Amino acid sequence: DTAVSQTPKYLVTQMGNDKSIKCEQNLGHDTMYWYKQDSKKFLKIMFSYNNKELIINETVPNRFSPKSPDKAHLNLHINSLELGDSAVYFCASSHTSGGVETQYFGPGTRLLVL
Amino acid sequence: GQQLNQSPQSMFIQEGEDVSMNCTSSSIFNTWLWYKQDPGEGPVLLIALYKAGELTSNGRLTAQFGITRKDSFLNISASIPSDVGIYFCAGQRNTGFQKLVFGTGTRLLVSP
Repeated sequence: DTAVSQTPKYLVTQMGNDKSIKCEQNLGHDTMYWYKQDSKKFLKIMFSYNNKELIINETVPNRFSPKSPDKAHLNLHINSLELGDSAVYFCASSHTSGGVETQYFGPGTRLLVL
Repeated sequence: GQQLNQSPQSMFIQEGEDVSMNCTSSSIFNTWLWYKQDPGEGPVLLIALYKAGELTSNGRLTAQFGITRKDSFLNISASIPSDVGIYFCAGQRNTGFQKLVFGTGTRLLVSP
């Protein structure tokens, strides 16, 4: 009964490869996010979708392409992986109640680019 | 991009001690949140603050929304070993489709 799940948990790949990370939430939330956490543990938002539509797109290389097939899923595809893409990627979903938004994070995908 | 500054960067304390950490920003936020990240896991929301000056408790945790709306504080009383982790503050300017800006994190280690 995991609320926000991500696959895979670990991903080791060569530079130049293309890879995808998947995220699913069973909370019925309308909004989903992708965050990147670097080696110093800094957490930065990358993208946000609401009801399958992109609403936040931070300054992220266009090698990163999010896709939301439905509001319960937000996948992240990365083309031509680079060494600097190595990080932990967190998916999150949120709901707003009484004007207050609460975000719930997934367990993370640890990406290592060699 | 903007990040919130947290201090201290890390703390190593004895079980039973009280802990204080803070988070400061150069700009105003309308919502302050405190998250904890256990090793190998995603951040989990601990406390949310929505009004300047608000003081909110969650068990042994107490957080305050600074009156200037540019800072927040988190206190943990009578620490236990399972308090180990990284504590992040996060600010949000408005609700609804507004991104969270995260702090730099405070690593807490608790010695039994």
